[in-house]
Amino acid sequence: AQSVTQLDSHVSVSEGTPVLLRCNYSSSYSPSLFWYVQHPNKGLQLLLKYTSAATLVKGINGFEAEFKKSETSFHLTKPSAHMSDAAEYFCVVSESAGGTSYGKLTFGQGTILTVHP
Amino acid sequence: NAGVTQTPKFQVLKTGQSMTLQCAQDMNHEYMSWYRQDPGMGLRLIHYSVGAGITDQGEVPNGYNVSRSTTEDFPLRLLSAAPSQTSVYFCASSYSVGTVLAKNIQYFGAGTRLSVL
Repeated sequence: AQSVTQLDSHVSVSEGTPVLLRCNYSSSYSPSLFWYVQHPNKGLQLLLKYTSAATLVKGINGFEAEFKKSETSFHLTKPSAHMSDAAEYFCVVSESAGGTSYGKLTFGQGTILTVHP
Repeated sequence: NAGVTQTPKFQVLKTGQSMTLQCAQDMNHEYMSWYRQDPGMGLRLIHYSVGAGITDQGEVPNGYNVSRSTTEDFPLRLLSAAPSQTSVYFCASSYSVGTVLAKNIQYFGAGTRLSVL
C-alpha cells in the first residue's frame, strides 16, 4: 500500500523568500512521485515528477524537489516566491510495480501556499 | 489540443436525482480515471479504466457507476444523488497502462463542481 503525508496544511511566505513544502511518502515498491499545483477554481497542473532517474528534479516555474529514499521524503522548494505561486500544492505517489495498483495515484491532503507582498 | 474536457462545470442536484458527469479526451489515451476532491482530503480515486470495455473500482466507488464504450469517453453516473456526494470531480487520462503508466503524467480536466441539496 502507498500513502502520502504533507506535513503542513498551510504555508505562508513573503514574496522573494524561499518556499519549502514538505512531503513524506510510504510505498511498498519503487514509487514515482509527483507534485501538482491547483490554482483557485482550476484543474491540476503537473509541476514536476520523479521516476527513478536523478534524485533532484527540476520543474516548471522555478520549482524543484529532491527524492530522499533514506528519509522517504520528496520536499518541494523554490528559491524565491512570487505572488503567482499562491495556490494549493499536492504531493502524489504512484506505485510502479506490484499487483493491480499500476498507475493509481495517491494524493496527499494538500498544502495551501499563501504569498504576502 | 482540447486535452481532457469535463461537462458540466457546475451542477446542483436534489437528493435522489440522477445525473451523468461527462469526460472526454482527444489524446487517444488508454487510461482514464475519476477522482473526487474534498477539503483536507486531497483527491480520491472513484473508478478507473485501462481501455475501452474495461473498468474497475478505486478507493471510493459506492454510489457511482462508470462505463467505457469508446477510448475517448468515460462518463461517471450518479444513480441517486446524496448530499455526501457534494464535491468537486476531476477526470484524468494518461497514454499508457501497466507498469509504464506509473511513470507517466496524468492529465486532468478542469473539474465539475457538484452540490447535492
